[in-house]
Amino acid sequence: QQPVQSPQAVILREGEDAVINCSSSKALYSVHWYRQKHGEAPVFLMILLKGGEQKGHEKISASFNEKKQQSSLYLTASQLSYSGTYFCGASTGSGNTGKLIFGQGTTLQVKP
Amino acid sequence: DAGVTQSPTHLIKTRGQHVTLRCSPISGHKSVSWYQQVLGQGPQFIFQYYEKEERGRGNFPDRFSARQFPNYSSELNVNALLLGDSALYLCASSFLDRNTEAFFGQGTRLTVV
Repeated sequence: QQPVQSPQAVILREGEDAVINCSSSKALYSVHWYRQKHGEAPVFLMILLKGGEQKGHEKISASFNEKKQQSSLYLTASQLSYSGTYFCGASTGSGNTGKLIFGQGTTLQVKP
Repeated sequence: DAGVTQSPTHLIKTRGQHVTLRCSPISGHKSVSWYQQVLGQGPQFIFQYYEKEERGRGNFPDRFSARQFPNYSSELNVNALLLGDSALYLCASSFLDRNTEAFFGQGTRLTVV
């Protein structure tokens, strides 16, 4: 079962904040966040590991609630370059990074 | 530093043909995974190879196969192409097989006509 992302789409003005949520019905070992622009490859943003470790971009923040099997991506003071589709990828079981189950995506549009 | 590179970038094939897609991981990365992304959806896992061994297979028919070479590059093969195989095929590499970031290549856009 793929993770469920919400909202499906969001439109912001530059400088506004947004939160994208990712919820899984299976126990999560790690959560991986990517941004994909139209016609391009997904770009790595952040990985959140069971136990609290995080690795990723300085300007991106996220949370991982292991008990609730949820993760949230926080986009603050949005810029035009933040536009794109955001995917969360879930690693279950032993935390295999090479086998991620992706959500359906959240489309973010930032307007001037 | 070179990222994950895939070839070709675009490909048009006819139903029933065979296709081979290639991926070179980031230098030093030992894990390579293949994903299929249909327009409007998230990537769907096809295969993972780590240290030249298959570590996982997604819910895809046997027409799909892959392998990893001693230099950690990888090939994805699809036989007897169907119209429904048209998609963006992505390769991702990571240093280890767990608890680490995975980076995607630019993908191969396959169109089956």
